Amino acid sequence: QVQLQESGPGLVKPSETLSLTCSVSGFSIRSGYYWGWVRQPPGKGLEWLGSIYYGGNSLDNTSLKSRVTISLDTSKNQISLKVTSVSAADTAVYYCARSDSSWYWFDSWGQGTLVTVSS
Amino acid sequence: EIVLTQSPGTLSLSPGQRATLSCRASQIVNRSYLAWYQQKPGQAPRLLIYGASGRATGIPDRFSGGGSGTDFILTISRLEPEDFAVYYCQQYGRSPTITFGQGTRLEIK
Repeated sequence: QVQLQESGPGLVKPSETLSLTCSVSGFSIRSGYYWGWVRQPPGKGLEWLGSIYYGGNSLDNTSLKSRVTISLDTSKNQISLKVTSVSAADTAVYYCARSDSSWYWFDSWGQGTLVTVSS
Repeated sequence: EIVLTQSPGTLSLSPGQRATLSCRASQIVNRSYLAWYQQKPGQAPRLLIYGASGRATGIPDRFSGGGSGTDFILTISRLEPEDFAVYYCQQYGRSPTITFGQGTRLEIK
């Protein structure tokens, strides 16, 4: 059974880069799914940040594309997220999630990690 | 960009009643790309319905999805206490590729 676990700093200063890692267990990230990130500001709805497929294909949220980088580390079975030039608007719970490679729904999620942007 | 608008924003019902949640898209969505999620406080979303009407693994049959084109519906036939949560629809399509509705809060009346 696939399990996803996010990790990283819970506090990031404005204008700096937010970096998170998602460790996947019970499933190889090379096995034919997209791996993505979704965030949720406190008390608000879900926002998809982007997804990546083993082999290099990626899906980008064009509204955030210039600030968001998603990559895979197959040796560690991990997915990483970087968001540059953060502001208070980037404060959110960040989830990593697995999505079907044909239909793109998210069938497995991590528990989420809260990142606060504040000086 | 395809915008998903969910209604109502909040739905107040009692256990045992039937719930009908709506998700309307600003453009036609291929129903294969339409999904529904349930989220409880402090938890990650959980996939309920995929391809507009398919139930995800382990989802009770009181949950059903339907619709096509721009109008999709999630129905909970007989509400159980554990069904009170926030529900989101999600679509895959044109840039920005994947979008979520703003959510419907289902609360106990």
